[in-house]
Amino acid sequence: ETGVTQTPRHLVMGMTNKKSLKCEQHLGHNAMYWYKQSAKKPLELMFVYNFKEQTENNSVPSRFSPECPNSSHLFLHLHTLQPEDSALYLCASSPNPASLYNEQFFGPGTRLTVL
Amino acid sequence: KQEVTQIPAALSVPEGENLVLNCSFTDSAIYNLQWFRQDPGKGLTSLLLIQSSQREQTSGRLNASLDKSSGRSTLYIAASQPGDSATYLCAVTGSGAGSYQLTFGKGTKLSVIP
Repeated sequence: ETGVTQTPRHLVMGMTNKKSLKCEQHLGHNAMYWYKQSAKKPLELMFVYNFKEQTENNSVPSRFSPECPNSSHLFLHLHTLQPEDSALYLCASSPNPASLYNEQFFGPGTRLTVL
Repeated sequence: KQEVTQIPAALSVPEGENLVLNCSFTDSAIYNLQWFRQDPGKGLTSLLLIQSSQREQTSGRLNASLDKSSGRSTLYIAASQPGDSATYLCAVTGSGAGSYQLTFGKGTKLSVIP
C-alpha cells in the first residue's frame, strides 16, 4: 500500500452503535488530520495530530473521539452519532506542520451514513 | 477568521478549451496555498502547492498563480480534456497559530464536454 489509506470505505450505522474509522499513512509523515466533508459545505478540519500529540480540536462534539497510537495510524472512534453526522470523513497526512512546504496528502475517505 | 471563496461554483466547457478557476481569501497572511482535485465520492488529490513567497507553480497543463497581497489565486488549465472533469478545491494555510490548518473553499465543479 502506498499513500494514505482509509477503512472502511463505506459505513452505515445506527445512532446507538459504536464504530471506528481507521487511517494509515505510508509516507513517513509526522502529522495526521481528520476532516469532515458535508454536502454543500467546505471541508472542515476536526483534529490534528503532530508527532502523535493532539494539537488541534476544532470544537468537535465528544461523540467523536480520535486516537493516534503512532505517527502512521489514526483512528476516529464514533459513538451515539446523529443523522447530521452523515458525511465523507477524510484523513490526511503531511510531513511537518512547521514547514512552509507542508503539503497535505489525503486518503480516499469513509462515506458514513447514520440512520 | 480566514474565508476562502471560489468562483464560479460550476463551469462547463467544451473539450480543448483553456480555462481559469478563481480563488480568493480574506486574510493575506498565509504560509501557502494548495489546489486539489476531487472526483465524485472520492478523496482529494493534491495538484499544486504555492508557497507564500512564490508567484506561480506549473505541473503539466496546470498553472497556478498567487497574488498574496490581493488575496487571489488562479488555476489555469490548458487544452481541457473530459478527464479533467472533477471538483477543484482551493485551500490556504495560515501563518499564525494553528498554521498547519487548511481552510478550504467550497470548490468549482468542472465539466469538460467531449
